[in-house]
Amino acid sequence: DIQMTQSPASLSASLGETVTIECRASEDIYNGLAWYQQKPGKSPQLLIYNANSLHTGVPSRFSGSGSGTQYSLKINSLQSEDVASYFCQQYYNYPLTFGSGTKLEIK
Amino acid sequence: EVQLVESGGGLVKPGSSLKLSCVASGFTFSSYGMHWIRQAPKKGLEWIALIYYDSSNKYYADSVKGRFTISRDNSKNTLYLEMNSLRSEDTAMYYCAKSEFGDYWGQGVMVTVSS
Repeated sequence: DIQMTQSPASLSASLGETVTIECRASEDIYNGLAWYQQKPGKSPQLLIYNANSLHTGVPSRFSGSGSGTQYSLKINSLQSEDVASYFCQQYYNYPLTFGSGTKLEIK
Repeated sequence: EVQLVESGGGLVKPGSSLKLSCVASGFTFSSYGMHWIRQAPKKGLEWIALIYYDSSNKYYADSVKGRFTISRDNSKNTLYLEMNSLRSEDTAMYYCAKSEFGDYWGQGVMVTVSS
């Protein structure tokens, strides 16, 4: 199984700041990576797919990058509504696997 | 508008069975693979099963293989998850999700396994 190591586990940043969340795969996943945002009490929502493609309706302050085994999600100009948990997921191979999540709070 | 609505959850005893449903609307259901993904309370996400658009292939996580069965009825735009031999560790919110990378998710249905 492909292991997804996500960091940091938690993050506190100020409004307007830029934050980056990282995910490392245990083997090459050839950009088969998605990022999700989950707000408290809600279901996850897709942000990014194919490592760097923005899902419909997602604000452009979210961006994804990376290749091979290393991927990242960047949030520019942090807004209060970005308070959430963020998860990466590889869909290159079965079983699909998720990172352990990053909880983002506002300072 | 894409909508996925899960149902069928509840409180059951260990060893019991339960069948979840996910009714889809707003897209051509028969053209997309569908997933079940679960989240134990205060925990991360765990993918558990995928079914191809035409039911030709099904994949399962090791944690549910042999106990859970994913199926679909394209004439009813409905995805199913039949869960047998339920254990306390199956307690979770269960979500259905559309397509290869889960572009849309349902609101989830809670399954609690407890004596």
